[in-house]
Amino acid sequence: DGGITQSPKYLFRKEGQNVTLSCEQNLNHDAMYWYRQDPGQGLRLIYYSQIVNDFQKGDIAEGYSVSREKKESFPLTVTSAQKNPTAFYLCASTLTGVGDTEAFFGQGTRLTVV
Amino acid sequence: DQQVKQNSPSLSVQEGRISILNCDYTNSMFDYFLWYKKYPAEGPTFLISISSIKDKNEDGRFTVFLNKSAKHLSLHIVPSQPGDSAVYFCAASVDSSYKLIFGSGTRLLVRP
Repeated sequence: DGGITQSPKYLFRKEGQNVTLSCEQNLNHDAMYWYRQDPGQGLRLIYYSQIVNDFQKGDIAEGYSVSREKKESFPLTVTSAQKNPTAFYLCASTLTGVGDTEAFFGQGTRLTVV
Repeated sequence: DQQVKQNSPSLSVQEGRISILNCDYTNSMFDYFLWYKKYPAEGPTFLISISSIKDKNEDGRFTVFLNKSAKHLSLHIVPSQPGDSAVYFCAASVDSSYKLIFGSGTRLLVRP
C-alpha cells in the first residue's frame, strides 16, 4: 500500500537537544511538506521541498532544518534554537504543486520537550 | 494575519441532520480550496475540494460551496453520522504555489 510513514509516533526531547523526525513516502510524489499543529491552531508550514536537493522555508522555519537527498525521504530536524518545540508535527506529500492535487498526510509525530 | 479563518471552533449536530462548516479567506489570489478531516493523533485525510472556477462540488454526503465575492466557502454534510465526528480543516492555495494555508479547524460532534 502506498502512503506516508512518519516515525516515531511519540518523541521526547531534553532541553538543548536536536532531534530528527523521519518522513518517508512511496507514492512517487515530487513535493513534500512539514507542518506543525498547536492546540487551537491550524497547520502551519515549516518547510517544503518541490524536488530532490531543493527545499524552501515555510512560514515558521526558524529553529528547524530539513534535507531532501532522496525523493522518498524528507527528514525534519528540530534544533535547540527552536524555542517552543512541543507540538504535533505532520509530514505531507503531493504529486506536484498543491494547486490542483490533494496532499496526503502521515500519521504525525508528537514531540514533547521534557 | 490569518488568511484562512474558521470562526467556529466547535459544532454539535444531531445524527441525521445537516452539518454546515464555514470558512472565510482574505487572499483573493486563492484558486483552490480543500477540506480535510482529522481524528485525534492522526494525520488529516482529504475530503473534498473545489476550484475557484466552480461554485459547488458534491461527493456523496459532502458538498462544498464557494462564494468568491464573499470569500467564503462552506462544507455541508447530509445526513450527518456519528462517524463524522472529527476536526475539519479548510485549506486554500494559489495554483502550483506549493503552499497550502490551513484554517484553525472546527470540531464537529454528531450526537446519536
